[in-house]
Amino acid sequence: QITLKESGPTLVKPTQTLTLTCTFSGFSLSTSGVGVGWIRQPPGKALEWLALIYWDDDKRYSPSLKSRLTITKDTSKNQVVLTMTNMDPVDTATYYCAHFLRGYSGYEDHWYFDLWGRGTLVTVSS
Amino acid sequence: DIQMTQSPSSLSASVGDRVTITCRASQSISSYLNWYQQKPGKAPKLLIYAASSLQSGVPSRFSGSGSGTDFTLTISSLQPEDFATYYCQQSYSTGFTFGPGTKVDIK
Repeated sequence: QITLKESGPTLVKPTQTLTLTCTFSGFSLSTSGVGVGWIRQPPGKALEWLALIYWDDDKRYSPSLKSRLTITKDTSKNQVVLTMTNMDPVDTATYYCAHFLRGYSGYEDHWYFDLWGRGTLVTVSS
Repeated sequence: DIQMTQSPSSLSASVGDRVTITCRASQSISSYLNWYQQKPGKAPKLLIYAASSLQSGVPSRFSGSGSGTDFTLTISSLQPEDFATYYCQQSYSTGFTFGPGTKVDIK
């Protein structure tokens, strides 16, 4: 059974750096065809993909936020850490981590977020 | 960046209705399109991947179709537990963009 859980501060001040940890179980991030991603959702708004790390340590970032984001993994601890610098009130959101899986349809491989953590609300305010 | 749009942004429907939601990509994404359902206060749940493949455990009343730039999610007979917001997401390229969502509520 795969589970993911986000942890980190609930309140950060503007200009500070946010560090979030995703602790997971039920899979290994050293297994081929697996990744962990971060997605956020401001209150009442849509989902926004932030970053992704694959089993082979390949990393991908949202183009609009790339300069502020860093994603790392600790395979031995089953954790993925996301840092976001220079936080602003507009970054107030629920932050989710999710299991990113490679599946197959026809002759193609497809990737999707098949399991999500419950999310953690981060408020940016002075 | 690939932009995703959805229509309608919201709809009201009754139990038993057939519901169709449309998602459009700003460029061709082949069949690299996923659909998620989100209920208030909950994490999204994967319904459909690769445009038309039903995720394990998802009821067969949900179906997806399309390729290229135009996609649809269909609920054949709306059930009380289906009232939620639905998001499409492209997995064709980095950006993995989500659509703005379609809220389905009770008529």
